[in-house]
Amino acid sequence: EVQLVQSGAEVKKPGESLKISCKGSGYSFSSYWIGWVRQMPGKGLEWMGIIYPGDSDTRYSPSFQGQVTISADKSISTAYLQWSSLKASDTAMYYCARLTPYSGYPYFDYWGQGTLVTVSS
Amino acid sequence: QTVVTQEPSLTVSPGGTVTLTCASSTGAVTSGYYPNWFQQKPGQAPRALIYSTSNKHSWTPARFSGSLLGGRAALTLSGVQPEDEAEYYCLLYYGGAQVFGGGTKLTVL
Repeated sequence: EVQLVQSGAEVKKPGESLKISCKGSGYSFSSYWIGWVRQMPGKGLEWMGIIYPGDSDTRYSPSFQGQVTISADKSISTAYLQWSSLKASDTAMYYCARLTPYSGYPYFDYWGQGTLVTVSS
Repeated sequence: QTVVTQEPSLTVSPGGTVTLTCASSTGAVTSGYYPNWFQQKPGQAPRALIYSTSNKHSWTPARFSGSLLGGRAALTLSGVQPEDEAEYYCLLYYGGAQVFGGGTKLTVL
């Protein structure tokens, strides 16, 4: 059974750093992309970026380039999303999801349960 | 900045048919945008329904179908069930990155 299990909720202060995780199981982690999606409170979904754990090929949305870092450690089947200096506007639910390689473009299939990040002074 | 536009809200009666659409600010949506559709219910993670315009996942109910319609990507629900009440999001590909639409809140009434 394919599963993506995300790390628990975080409460941080502005300026602090943070790294959240997404652990995959039930499939060959290195052979599928992992994507990160933001959902601010009461708002829609935003595509942040994706990573291919097999070779760490990473693509970012222009909106998130330079604001976050996406990484992966294939030896422990885990992808990460990290911030070096959080802002209150980073308060959101963050989802990871698996993307299956396809003839056109990888497509989303399985999703994690989400990690709620709250940034408040 | 690329904008993907969906109807903010739609209402359908149980058993009815409804079509949700997804437009791109760059012009007509074609198969090369690899449209995806997702369903999200309150308090839950999104669930993938359709990929690459019209392909269903193994868990996608038969009443959901995807297509291209009048220069837009479209998601049609035929024989709507009460449990289909949810937010629906489309996702389009723009050369290396993807962009979600703003979502359509579907009410079954």
